Amino acid sequence: DTGVSQDPRHKITKRGQNVTFRCDPISEHNRLYWYRQTLGQGPEFLTYFQNEAQLEKSRLLSDRFSAERPKGSFSTLEIQRTEQGDSAMYLCASSPPGTLNYEQYFGPGTRLTVT
Amino acid sequence: DAKTTQPTSMDCAEGRAANLPCNHSTISGNEYVYWYRQIHSQGPQYIIHGLKNNETNEMASLIITEDRKSSTLILPHATLRDTAVYYCIVRVPYNFNKFYFGSGTKLNVKP
Repeated sequence: DTGVSQDPRHKITKRGQNVTFRCDPISEHNRLYWYRQTLGQGPEFLTYFQNEAQLEKSRLLSDRFSAERPKGSFSTLEIQRTEQGDSAMYLCASSPPGTLNYEQYFGPGTRLTVT
Repeated sequence: DAKTTQPTSMDCAEGRAANLPCNHSTISGNEYVYWYRQIHSQGPQYIIHGLKNNETNEMASLIITEDRKSSTLILPHATLRDTAVYYCIVRVPYNFNKFYFGSGTKLNVKP
């Protein structure tokens, strides 16, 4: 257990529905990352927050995806009008401030299945 | 973006050393090499990282070639619980320290 929690762990939804995932990073970590992982592949970067500011978004993050980190603590990732291609594991990772340690601590992930 | 290349899978006998290679021939001078592993259905777990010197911790050793174009992760005494997918990753410091994962190596530790 790295201390990063994600909720829910599993989500099954029908195509066209909206879903929201939550990530609670380690409390003193100001850096937060979202990744997506499809079956048999390594995680792919989606977006990055430093405190509450979203500083980087991947081209994978279409306009149906939105992420927030309102007070620089927990973060949410919302997918609107889900499609079957959105089925994947969504991973959150956090990293401490400063320049000495950039290790990312990953949560257990949320597995999304779109039917 | 620096990319990594790893064998798809490897086998190792329990109790023996597991040597996992990684090629990162396009790595830049300030880009670090990280290794993570992922046990089925869990989030990736940090193992070790390095820039140009060899590194060792309680889990593993990391050997980086002098030209930094490749590295090897060594698990000195593999156990069945080391069966996992191992990812060699390049951290890009000028790009928000994002991790670029490849497809990883599935290590099968056999009794």
